[in-house]
Amino acid sequence: DSGVTQTPKHLITATGQRVTLRCSPRSGDLSVYWYQQSLDQGLQFLIQYYNGEERAKGNILERFSAQQFPDLHSELNLSSLELGDSALYFCASSSPTGELFFGEGSRLTVL
Amino acid sequence: EDQVTQSPEALRLQEGESSSLNCSYTVSGLRGLFWYRQDPGKGPEFLFTLYSAGEEKEKERLKATLTKKESFLHITAPKPEDSATYLCAVQSLVTSGSRLTFGEGTQLTVNP
Repeated sequence: DSGVTQTPKHLITATGQRVTLRCSPRSGDLSVYWYQQSLDQGLQFLIQYYNGEERAKGNILERFSAQQFPDLHSELNLSSLELGDSALYFCASSSPTGELFFGEGSRLTVL
Repeated sequence: EDQVTQSPEALRLQEGESSSLNCSYTVSGLRGLFWYRQDPGKGPEFLFTLYSAGEEKEKERLKATLTKKESFLHITAPKPEDSATYLCAVQSLVTSGSRLTFGEGTQLTVNP
């Protein structure tokens, strides 16, 4: 158990819909990272937050947005969903020495 | 742009048959190189961090080594429970925080 909690574990929805994925980092970690893992691609960095502020953006679509709240949990919002958005979405938090610890992921299926 | 290439894409071993996985990287100043294990449908599990060329780290049947251009994950006398995808990632000195750039992984299968 990494200590990073993600909900929901599985989500099935239709094209055009909007979903929210939630992440709670390890106790004491201030940073949250979101990654997407599709079948045909490795882990792709989406966005990073540190103590409530956005720190870095990767290949995140404009239809996607995220935020980190004062209690340090984070939410990733995916809207106008397309079939190609089906993937595993992982959240990670970082230790003071730089290692990322990942949650179990949220598997999104868009039909 | 940081890049990580892992080979082979897939590897099948018999139990007890030792082998090595390769990770080649290009990075704008290496802060750290990381190895993770990922089981199907699960999140990546941290294994090792290597910081400088010549460094080695060991954990049970796994040993990771680092040169200036690549890293190897040596698996000695593997068991079926070592079957997983092994991911290599780099952390750059010029990117924000602890962001990692991952390779596509090597899918290891160990047959009994």
